[in-house]
Amino acid sequence: QQQVKQSPQSLIVQKGGISIINCAYENTAFDYFPWYQQFPGKGPALLIAIRPDVSEKKEGRFTISFNKSAKQFSLHIMDSQPGDSATYFCAALLGDTGTASKLTFGTGTRLQVTL
Amino acid sequence: EAGVTQSPTHLIKTRGQQATLRCSPISGHTSVYWYQQALGLGLQFLLWYDEGEERNRGNFPPRFSGRQFPNYSSELNVNALELEDSALYLCASSLVRLAEQFFGPGTRLTVL
Repeated sequence: QQQVKQSPQSLIVQKGGISIINCAYENTAFDYFPWYQQFPGKGPALLIAIRPDVSEKKEGRFTISFNKSAKQFSLHIMDSQPGDSATYFCAALLGDTGTASKLTFGTGTRLQVTL
Repeated sequence: EAGVTQSPTHLIKTRGQQATLRCSPISGHTSVYWYQQALGLGLQFLLWYDEGEERNRGNFPPRFSGRQFPNYSSELNVNALELEDSALYLCASSLVRLAEQFFGPGTRLTVL
């Protein structure tokens, strides 16, 4: 129930294309869904996040789509650039309970954007 | 504003030794989280400290422990090191009761 399933494991997209990464969860108590971007040798950096009362959130070229009924959310990277090549992690958080504030991460998607 | 800092960057130990990793959160953040990122295993939650107290713990043995100091910095201790403890250890911080966690660059621990 605590798992977050992420797909695909790896993705190759041409420059200018759309990169799509999907995540699914089971626990309906999750109420915050961030995406992190990680470059080799660096810590994950918060990219964009959404709460379940919103179906879509857009920040620049990055969009999260959220489907509460299907318990799925996805990251879309529009006009993908070689600089977007990184590993992307989705995550989910069990509310602001004060006692369970840990992120559960997906297994990561390695994105390569080719010229 | 300075981000989360971690030291050392790299640490090499042998089996059975103890490792101590340190983390300084973003100024004003009171919560510190530790995660293990082992090759091929993604990010696994280790520990959460807030206001000097351990608030939550992941599925790791007791030889993984830590503490949070009055200035909110934190230390992760790993006793009786095993080969499989080799990983990138990441520290994150957040304002208490807010969801956004910001990560440091990590400490690469290698156990020989």
